[in-house]
Amino acid sequence: SAVISQKPSRDICQRGTSLTIQCQVDSQVTMMFWYRQQPGQSLTLIATANQGSEATYESGFVIDKFPISRPNLTFSTLTVSNMSPEDSSIYLCSGAPGQGANEQFFGPGTRLTVL
Amino acid sequence: AQRVTQPEKLLSVFKGAPVELKCNYSYSGSPELFWYVQYSRQRLQLLLRHISRESIKGFTADLNKGETSFHLKKPFAQEEDSAMYYCALRPYSSASKIIFGSGTRLSIRP
Repeated sequence: SAVISQKPSRDICQRGTSLTIQCQVDSQVTMMFWYRQQPGQSLTLIATANQGSEATYESGFVIDKFPISRPNLTFSTLTVSNMSPEDSSIYLCSGAPGQGANEQFFGPGTRLTVL
Repeated sequence: AQRVTQPEKLLSVFKGAPVELKCNYSYSGSPELFWYVQYSRQRLQLLLRHISRESIKGFTADLNKGETSFHLKKPFAQEEDSAMYYCALRPYSSASKIIFGSGTRLSIRP
């Protein structure tokens, strides 16, 4: 199994600013993902973070709004850019040991509130 | 379209009563199905997966391809089962993308 940590655990931000969320895994994982969970909603996949290349975004999510970095097999960042109140959500990082792996491990989440 | 539906947002049962959390999916191929659980103030974690055909914490789930369902069951609920439960689908075994249902909050009354 892999233990995933995220920083910050929560933040309150002003409209128009940007926030970068860090995700650290205690072991190397092949796949890393970023999810969003809006209040009362399910988890929605934002993108797959690819090591050394551009992330793969899901429909409805774009790199300009959610730039992602993944410099190595244990670390990734998600930036929420030019925030608006609609971006208030929990952002979750997850990792899987291999493509097609049966289990994804999740971080504790980052609770973001945009005023 | 690939979709996971959990019709119940909240399910409340008495301790010792049977539990069934419903999950239906929409996918034309052979999916892999999972149940994830999130206990209070804990992170999301895998409960069980259909390919393992295992019982975890007394919970079982059978994939019914005819009804496209993957309901989670437990014969006798315990208070510590209170949590948020998410049904999830992976479209095909070579991919890692997982699609989650909206979740069901299970509340066990003493």
